[in-house]
Amino acid sequence: QVQLVQSGPEVKKPGASVKVSCKTSGYRFTGNYLHWVRQAPGQGLEWMGWINPYSGDRKIAQKFQGRVTLTRDTSISTAYMELRSLKSDDAAVYYCARGRGDKGWFDPWGQGTLVTVSS
Amino acid sequence: DVQMTQSPFSLSASIGDTVTITCRTSQNIRRYVNWYQQKPGKAPKLLIYAASNLKGDVPSRFSGSGSGTDFTLTISSLQPEDFATYYCQQSYITPPWTFGQGTKVEVK
Repeated sequence: QVQLVQSGPEVKKPGASVKVSCKTSGYRFTGNYLHWVRQAPGQGLEWMGWINPYSGDRKIAQKFQGRVTLTRDTSISTAYMELRSLKSDDAAVYYCARGRGDKGWFDPWGQGTLVTVSS
Repeated sequence: DVQMTQSPFSLSASIGDTVTITCRTSQNIRRYVNWYQQKPGKAPKLLIYAASNLKGDVPSRFSGSGSGTDFTLTISSLQPEDFATYYCQQSYITPPWTFGQGTKVEVK
């Protein structure tokens, strides 16, 4: 079955960077966009960006431009999201999700990676 | 960006009740609305895509309707496992993909 398995929780200091991985299985990695979504504690869902694993093209939400880098390694069917210059309000659970089609839905989602930002 | 306004913010219901959650969008997004269920500490799960298409493994008590700017998620005969937070999402005018604020369905 299709699975997205993310890396474990991270604790970072303000100003540091974090890199979250999303290992996929059960489908052709290069066949679907991968999206990144975050959720601050007790808050809603916020789309961060997508990467096309086939071409490497990516689109980052305006809010995160300059701080987020999306990459992928097709040899191991894994995508990565790096967030730099961490601030306290970057503390959140970060999810990857497979995109279905150009105007499609997200299914399935990874289990989430908790990023804590604390001095 | 397309704004998604979900209502209510929360609701209390009993087992067996019918629950309706609405999502209003700031622009016409045709039928490109998707609905997700999220339980505490878990990732969101897709329930309905393109306004009214039930994902294969989702119980038929869930249904969706609407087009343009007004959409509805209905849960008929609420079951214990349905107590969760529900989010709508638009996928027509992108990027960004935007979500509603969420509706928490609680036990009355």
